[in-house]
Amino acid sequence: GAVVSQHPSWVICKSGTSVKIECRSLDFQATTMFWYRQFPKQSLMLMATSNEGSKATYEQGVEKDKFLINHASLTLSTLTVTSAHPEDSSFYICSARLMRGAQETQYFGPGTRLLVL
Amino acid sequence: GESVGLHLPTLSVQEGDNSIINCAYSNSASDYFIWYKQESGKGPQFIIDIRSNMDKRQGQRVTVLLNKTVKHLSLQIAATQPGDSAVYFCAEQPGANSKLTFGKGITLSVRP
Repeated sequence: GAVVSQHPSWVICKSGTSVKIECRSLDFQATTMFWYRQFPKQSLMLMATSNEGSKATYEQGVEKDKFLINHASLTLSTLTVTSAHPEDSSFYICSARLMRGAQETQYFGPGTRLLVL
Repeated sequence: GESVGLHLPTLSVQEGDNSIINCAYSNSASDYFIWYKQESGKGPQFIIDIRSNMDKRQGQRVTVLLNKTVKHLSLQIAATQPGDSAVYFCAEQPGANSKLTFGKGITLSVRP
């Protein structure tokens, strides 16, 4: 149990285009999901917290108009990178928070590698 | 600011030996700690967690130790196998519904 999927697993796009990445919790409901970005040989950096039915909370320095987040259901959050540029090339990883009573655990998706040409 | 860091960037061990991966944290308010394993090109995989009211927790071949006095967290892997080769991250959370903060990561390399 506690499986999180992402789609696509990798994408190559031209500079200036927009790319949408989906994050799904397959066997549990998640009111809260998280989006991270990871550059090579670096740790995960939290971009934003996605809350079902409400606006996402962005970390300092992350442009909310560039990285659009929609959490329309309890099993799906999407991240859209608008007008992507080469510096947006990275590994994007989502996670979903699973609540078991008072216990919470974040389960991560497999990641989406974005290459902007 | 507060941070979570790892002492060593890489660790090389012989197959069959025990591995110990260390992590220092600075946020004294943290009460939940997690170890994740990340294989190349994949997302982090939950390994084991521990709350601040415990100092040791064991799983299958893994043990997490927490020393709140010196703000130190360690992951012990028994009988390390080639499949254990990955980057390991410690993460800390100050409280319920708060964000995870990840450490820098350490690469574990298992020699056959």
